[in-house]
Amino acid sequence: DAKTTQPPSMDCAEGRAANLPCNHSTISGNEYVYWYRQIHSQGPQYIIHGLKNNETNEMASLIITEDRKSSTLILPHATLRDTAVYYCIGDQAGTALIFGKGTTLSVSS
Amino acid sequence: NAGVMQNPRHLVRRRGQEARLRCSPMKGHSHVYWYRQLPEEGLKFMVYLQKENIIDESGMPKERFSAEFPKEGPSILRIQQVVRGDSAAYFCASSPPWGPQHFGDGTRLSIL
Repeated sequence: DAKTTQPPSMDCAEGRAANLPCNHSTISGNEYVYWYRQIHSQGPQYIIHGLKNNETNEMASLIITEDRKSSTLILPHATLRDTAVYYCIGDQAGTALIFGKGTTLSVSS
Repeated sequence: NAGVMQNPRHLVRRRGQEARLRCSPMKGHSHVYWYRQLPEEGLKFMVYLQKENIIDESGMPKERFSAEFPKEGPSILRIQQVVRGDSAAYFCASSPPWGPQHFGDGTRLSIL
């Protein structure tokens, strides 16, 4: 499993884009980059994942550098409900997810 | 389009009793994972199952804990002779083969 490094906390103003970085320099060629978030003590919510190409869905965009050593999760218009702990995980599909400490994103009005 | 269903949402047990936590995966998902989150700590993997098979139980405590995912019915995480240290939130996730895991809302286990 790839070791990932994320800043412990970030702040974002409501309505602005939130850009959450993640370093995963040891990621191997067959490992995906997954992003999850956990709001308060609810179950983790799947956001997006990618292998090499940039990905976009209704929740967020994922930008992966060409060398795959880092990625950025983009929430285009953050709302108060996006306040959560965000986890970046490098792993193969079909295996256990290893959660680190993540980034606590605080969105304020 | 029901998500991963866990029950009960809250479970209270006295020391020495048994706790049974149930997880129904999303429709079409054949893989189930159990995770535990102790108070003020991160999520830790416990066990990964496919129908009738345990694939990876490397995160499961060696004693008192067991898990199953029968051919019919939900996956069950069973904790025998519970102790105070078992108090935690237990999350189940399911996935299709080669797809992302989707989590339930968890069972909060409290030991008196």
